[in-house]
Amino acid sequence: DAGITQSPRHKVTETGTPVTLRCHQTENHRYMYWYRQDPGHGLRLIHYSYGVKDTDKGEVSDGYSVSRSKTEDFLLTLESATSSQTSVYFCAISESRPDSPLHFGNGTRLTVT
Amino acid sequence: GDSVTQMEGPVTLSEEAFLTINCTYTATGYPSLFWYVQYPGEGLQLLLKATKADDKGSNKGFEATYRKETTSFHLEKGSVQVSDSAVYFCALSDGVRGGADGLTFGKGTHLIIQP
Repeated sequence: DAGITQSPRHKVTETGTPVTLRCHQTENHRYMYWYRQDPGHGLRLIHYSYGVKDTDKGEVSDGYSVSRSKTEDFLLTLESATSSQTSVYFCAISESRPDSPLHFGNGTRLTVT
Repeated sequence: GDSVTQMEGPVTLSEEAFLTINCTYTATGYPSLFWYVQYPGEGLQLLLKATKADDKGSNKGFEATYRKETTSFHLEKGSVQVSDSAVYFCALSDGVRGGADGLTFGKGTHLIIQP
């Protein structure tokens, strides 16, 4: 398995509170991604990073921000959590080639009450 | 924009049956195509891939052929086992920006194999 660790694995939080999810990789891959998985929607891209301090928005970026200060760490922050952000969040990494597959972490299940 | 369409299921089969999960796509350029599998409580794992037309990806008895003329990448297995029960995702990378902006996924097909 690719060396990807997501933390925490589970979190319950209240509406309006800030939440940060962490993704840590040991593969030294350039690209990192945050996806959310919801029934009926499959996986949708939130944000991605193509290098340290280089990030861009994905399909469903509203309400989320990211930071990448080191190659190995990619943080996803919900500034003020809402119930619509209850989901399973997956981090993924890939090498610097167009046909490179993504390697996924085991996910963080977030519940916003 | 890019899109991937696949049956959502659940698809229920008996052990040793033949499996087909259909996947069609819309993309600009010449995408690479992937099948991922997700077991309960886990992340997605790459099952197979194909990077150009007529390529066949294969792994663990599963196969899929990149058909540019029909924009399809159907997943097949000749004899399924109970352990194949999982959710299967078809995905594409259109290669724009060197693949930096990730993959576009279908909604997933839940496969249930009964003994």
